[in-house]
Amino acid sequence: GAVVSQHPSWVICKSGTSVKIECRSLDFQATTMFWYRQFPKQSLMLMATSNEGSKATYEQGVEKDKFLINHASLTLSTLTVTSAHPEDSSFYICSASVSGTNNYGYTFGSGTRLTVV
Amino acid sequence: SQKIEQNSEALNIQEGKTATLTCNYTNYSPAYLQWYRQDPGRGPVFLLLIRENEKEKRKERLKVTFDTTLKQSLFHITASQPADSATYLCAFDQTGANNLFFGTGTRLTVIP
Repeated sequence: GAVVSQHPSWVICKSGTSVKIECRSLDFQATTMFWYRQFPKQSLMLMATSNEGSKATYEQGVEKDKFLINHASLTLSTLTVTSAHPEDSSFYICSASVSGTNNYGYTFGSGTRLTVV
Repeated sequence: SQKIEQNSEALNIQEGKTATLTCNYTNYSPAYLQWYRQDPGRGPVFLLLIRENEKEKRKERLKVTFDTTLKQSLFHITASQPADSATYLCAFDQTGANNLFFGTGTRLTVIP
């Protein structure tokens, strides 16, 4: 089945530094990937939609200069949290649609636990 | 704005019984609804998708219903097992977009 690989699975960084999270589709091409954030005991909140070869579309309230998204190829999208602060600590998850939504749903990465100290 | 609610934050059930989780939505008419399983510290895993013209869908011990009049979907796990313990999320597509809008999830615990 379709697999989305997300790296790293966890990261601890100092306040003010930047962190890059990678999301790869292993056995399919993903023209569109999605980035979500999930706080403890809360649901997934969409941050942005990443389109291969074009600028990402950010949801209202998400700072595009803070959360840089690059989707340079059909199999890789990256999210960079710039100048991270403790309030950015969260669980970040990427996903991709394998074949629209025709019974296949969306495939999610395993998530990245970011802790900013 | 559209809203999606799952009936309870947590549900405990005895092993072997049928677990029933509820998903209600308002201010929207999704063309399809999806259910996902999420284990702690992991991304969601797709389980089932049901379309607005489908009343019921089954997959092994799982069953999903979709009532567009009540604006509700029910998710059933029959003969529940401790390994079914997880958080279950319902989700639908957002208007004009190719992404998902998630409910808050129900944390199911199956007690041996």
